[in-house]
Amino acid sequence: AQTVTQSQPEMSVQEAETVTLSCTYDTSENNYYLFWYKQPPSRQMILVIRQEAYKQQNATENRFSVNFQKAAKSFSLKISDSQLGDTAMYFCAFMNHDGTASKLTFGTGTRLQVTL
Amino acid sequence: EAQVTQNPRYLITVTGKKLTVTCSQNMNHEYMSWYRQDPGLGLRQIYYSMNVEVTDKGDVPEGYKVSRKEKRNFPLILESPSPNQTSLYFCASTYGGQDTQYFGPGTRLTVL
Repeated sequence: AQTVTQSQPEMSVQEAETVTLSCTYDTSENNYYLFWYKQPPSRQMILVIRQEAYKQQNATENRFSVNFQKAAKSFSLKISDSQLGDTAMYFCAFMNHDGTASKLTFGTGTRLQVTL
Repeated sequence: EAQVTQNPRYLITVTGKKLTVTCSQNMNHEYMSWYRQDPGLGLRQIYYSMNVEVTDKGDVPEGYKVSRKEKRNFPLILESPSPNQTSLYFCASTYGGQDTQYFGPGTRLTVL
């Protein structure tokens, strides 16, 4: 079974600064997908970024980028130019390549606070 | 607007009183899932469905039932709720098993 570990329960960053959230995972699969989801106080789950394991290039979405290290099974999220609206819980998630059960396996989350 | 809707958004009930949380999507998605979110545990899959009349257990199915009689709807049924089912519940849907999942707004359930 796959597991996803987020070792930072809480983090804080000042507005306009850069912060990196860590995520490691364990799987015996070679092909899979990795995701970062954002959950603001509204509780809505919002997809931030998606990475296919077979792609060597790290995914980016505006101020959000990942550092995907397949051999190390590491998938960190970097938020540049942090904004107050980035304050949220962030979840790292894993999905098998065959989409079995359309199941996402989530980490326990990192609560990010962006301060003035 | 493409969306996943859940009702109710908040529910307080008592132990043993049957309840249903509805989920509906308007994107013609084949795959639908239910997750529960608990502090310190992240989200865990309860049940999933790959199409009409096709459902199967996720990681934490005990105490829950689901049905998929129509493609757009995937209700979650708690026939005899207990306090350990107090949680935040999310419905999600996706076109294909590997595709990005769209989440509903969540249902906060409290069982007294």
